Amino acid sequence: DAGVTQSPTHLIKTRGQQVTLRCSPKSGHDTVSWYQQALGQGPQFIFQYYEEEERQRGNFPDRFSGHQFPNYSSELNVNALLLGDSALYLCASSLMLYREAQHFGDGTRLSIL
Amino acid sequence: GEDVEQSLFLSVREGDSSVINCTYTDSSSTYLYWYKQEPGAGLQLLTYIFSNMDMKQDQRLTVLLNKKDKHLSLRIADTQTGDSAIYFCAESDRAYSGGGADGLTFGKGTHLIIQP
Repeated sequence: DAGVTQSPTHLIKTRGQQVTLRCSPKSGHDTVSWYQQALGQGPQFIFQYYEEEERQRGNFPDRFSGHQFPNYSSELNVNALLLGDSALYLCASSLMLYREAQHFGDGTRLSIL
Repeated sequence: GEDVEQSLFLSVREGDSSVINCTYTDSSSTYLYWYKQEPGAGLQLLTYIFSNMDMKQDQRLTVLLNKKDKHLSLRIADTQTGDSAIYFCAESDRAYSGGGADGLTFGKGTHLIIQP
């Protein structure tokens, strides 16, 4: 039973560029949440997708956007990258109906030069 | 706004019990979670407790919730070197939209250091 998978594992970009990160939820899950974890900090909630729509959003600018596909997989897009966007980006999946706890992937390490 | 506080470090001897503490401010928190993060890895769900419970036990793990004081603790019995990691307390607020597992608010994490 595959858990949450994220790609790529590592990514290096420069300021001003755009990036797309990908996430496949755990088998049987239908809800995907994205988090940003800066070095030495706890994860910060970016947004959550369910039924291909953004259901809830944290305190992040519009440069952060996402998408959920019919197979429940999801993408996180970040435009106009800033040095401060360097972080570990974590994807978590859950099942909406039974309020299951969120299960996390190993993350994508994004470095901005 | 919502806030979750944890001590940054805890050092214990191998074989002793570890107790990691957490306080939260959101009185509408409905679920409280403990996650473990090892170096270079994502978050592993350890356990969670619903706000109408006082205690939950799962093998070596015991979670205690004092809702009046908004205090949560995680006790790890017989701590082993493999327990060395960062432990995150997190809470969710069901009031947002009446269903599902909502976005979590995390503390900064407690580094558990095991002494031989």
